[in-house]
Amino acid sequence: SYELTQPPSVSVSPGQTARITCSADALPKQYAYWYQQKPGQAPVLVIYKDSERPSGIPERFSGSSSGTTVTLTISGVQAEDEADYYCQSADSSGITFGGGTKLTVL
Amino acid sequence: QVQLQESGPGLVKPSETLSLTCTVSGGSISSYYWSWIRQPPGKGLEWIGYIYYSGSTNYNPSLKSRVTISVDTSKNQFSLKLSSVTAADTAVYYCARVMVAANYYMDVWGKGTTVTVSS
Repeated sequence: SYELTQPPSVSVSPGQTARITCSADALPKQYAYWYQQKPGQAPVLVIYKDSERPSGIPERFSGSSSGTTVTLTISGVQAEDEADYYCQSADSSGITFGGGTKLTVL
Repeated sequence: QVQLQESGPGLVKPSETLSLTCTVSGGSISSYYWSWIRQPPGKGLEWIGYIYYSGSTNYNPSLKSRVTISVDTSKNQFSLKLSSVTAADTAVYYCARVMVAANYYMDVWGKGTTVTVSS
């Protein structure tokens, strides 16, 4: 298996753009997925296959990939976006989650 | 719309076996993979393992010696057994549906159930 590294925390003011990175330590990079988890709730998928957005997820959520790093971008951050965000990938040995990033909306 | 519901004891004694069941409603368990994930208090998500509806499994190497995931298609349920538990196994346990699109990911999650390991 391999590791996914995320920053522990990111802070932004409302209306600004938040960027959360996830770096893989293995090549070739597998597709990445992003989940949003609010306190006391189950995770919710917000991005799949690096940059695809599931139905019902606001357009302000987007994903991108460069090399072995993927980035979740939230444009025009709203107070309701304050949550923990986890990246996830998989290989033949199974599924791996990043350590999670706490997004604080100032 | 598919919904998942975890059930099982909320308290398990150390050295005993943790047993949970996930009931799938609003859709069939067939043709999908199904997974268990856990989250210790204040910590991140940890994948436990997944099972295909036909019964094939894949487990987290760090838990493999203690984990068994099974499926009962007649009841639209799948289950988790974790043996020889310790306080480190205290967590919220989630069940989830696994999608396979170039890779594995979870698109539908249960609400989670809290399991505490304590005497």
